[in-house]
Amino acid sequence: AQTVTQSQPEMSVQEAETVTLSCTYDTSESNYYLFWYKQPPSRQMILVIRQEAYKQQNATENRFSVNFQKAAKSFSLKISDSQLGDTAMYFCAFMGSYNQGGKLIFGQGTELSVKP
Amino acid sequence: SQTIHQWPATLVQPVGSPLSLECTVEGTSNPNLYWYRQAAGRGLQLLFYSVGIGQISSEVPQNLSASRPQDRQFILSSKKLLLSDSGFYLCAWSLGFGYEQYFGPGTRLTVT
Repeated sequence: AQTVTQSQPEMSVQEAETVTLSCTYDTSESNYYLFWYKQPPSRQMILVIRQEAYKQQNATENRFSVNFQKAAKSFSLKISDSQLGDTAMYFCAFMGSYNQGGKLIFGQGTELSVKP
Repeated sequence: SQTIHQWPATLVQPVGSPLSLECTVEGTSNPNLYWYRQAAGRGLQLLFYSVGIGQISSEVPQNLSASRPQDRQFILSSKKLLLSDSGFYLCAWSLGFGYEQYFGPGTRLTVT
């Protein structure tokens, strides 16, 4: 069974600095997708970034980028120029197996605090 | 554009009472639909997913059930709630494998 592990329950960063959130996963599949979601205090789940496993190029969305290491099964999220609004829970998620309806397996989350 | 609705937003129910949470999606056809539960602000646990009307896959054995009576409607139910059913319930939709999921605002359920 696939698993997703986020080893940092909590992290903090100063405003305008850079922070990296870690995620590792376990799978025997070769075709899969990885996601980072953000959950601010409102608890609304918001997609941050999406990565296709068959693409070697790391995904980037404005200040958010990933370091995807397929052989190591690692998928870390880098947030540059951190802003107060980045304060949230961040979840790493795995999607595999075409015949499983596109379901997501989530890690336990990393609570990020951005300090002024 | 697509919109996903969930109601109610908050619910307090006694142990042993029934439950019905509803989720509807607008602006898309034949979406995949999902129910998740989140306990204590940590990871999301997938409860059910559906790839079409009347097609429900259960991920976790429990006293909850799901139904999809219409293409864009997904209902989470229980005949008798347990204390352990308390949590934050999220509905989501997607276009299928490889596509991101979009989440509703959630329902906070407290079983007393």
